[in-house]
Amino acid sequence: QKEVEQNSGPLSVPEGAIASLNCTYSDRVSQSFFWYRQYSGKSPELIMSIYSNGDKEDGRFTAQLNKASQYVSLLIRDSQPSDSATYLCAVTGTGRRALTFGSGTRLQVQP
Amino acid sequence: SQTIHQWPATLVQPVGSPLSLECTVEGTSNPNLYWYRQAAGRGLQLLFYSVGIGQISSEVPQNLSASRPQDRQFILSSKKLLLSDSGFYLCAWSVRGGANTGELFFGEGSRLTVL
Repeated sequence: QKEVEQNSGPLSVPEGAIASLNCTYSDRVSQSFFWYRQYSGKSPELIMSIYSNGDKEDGRFTAQLNKASQYVSLLIRDSQPSDSATYLCAVTGTGRRALTFGSGTRLQVQP
Repeated sequence: SQTIHQWPATLVQPVGSPLSLECTVEGTSNPNLYWYRQAAGRGLQLLFYSVGIGQISSEVPQNLSASRPQDRQFILSSKKLLLSDSGFYLCAWSVRGGANTGELFFGEGSRLTVL
């Protein structure tokens, strides 16, 4: 079982819709959770971090964390074509000094 | 503000040749430094991380090595490249300690093709 799992996609949504990206992780002691966005051919950039159960909102982005279910998600409201990218979920925790990344979900926002 | 530079941006190397990728960080002190590799269409694989000068941890066995000769300099090397070394190499830094170690800032990447 992979440590961090994501559906590879592509996830296709129309412009203006809500895009929902999901991620599950296997290590129960994981403590910190991150979403990175990676445009094709570019390096990843951090867009959201979440450390406690519940929702965290930042502009059009909402991260949701459920530690009991070992599940973290990213919602993108009012999706724009410029949101088309691969979204990487990443996890870290005690005893682990570096992030473990999922393989990413490719999002396509159709104009 | 902090910046991270990585070079070269692209390189094509024959099998068996050496490799040296360099990364430097500006605007911060005592960062954690990382080398990741991303194969085509795949996620990021952690290769090495460093919490200080001369302190290198390797995550996977391979023919690559890393060095940190200065606080803000991180070098990835190989004596003899393999075809399987092809990929997109990413250097990253984070602040040292606490939950913020997961907030990585990446360089522009180095795309390596081994022929």
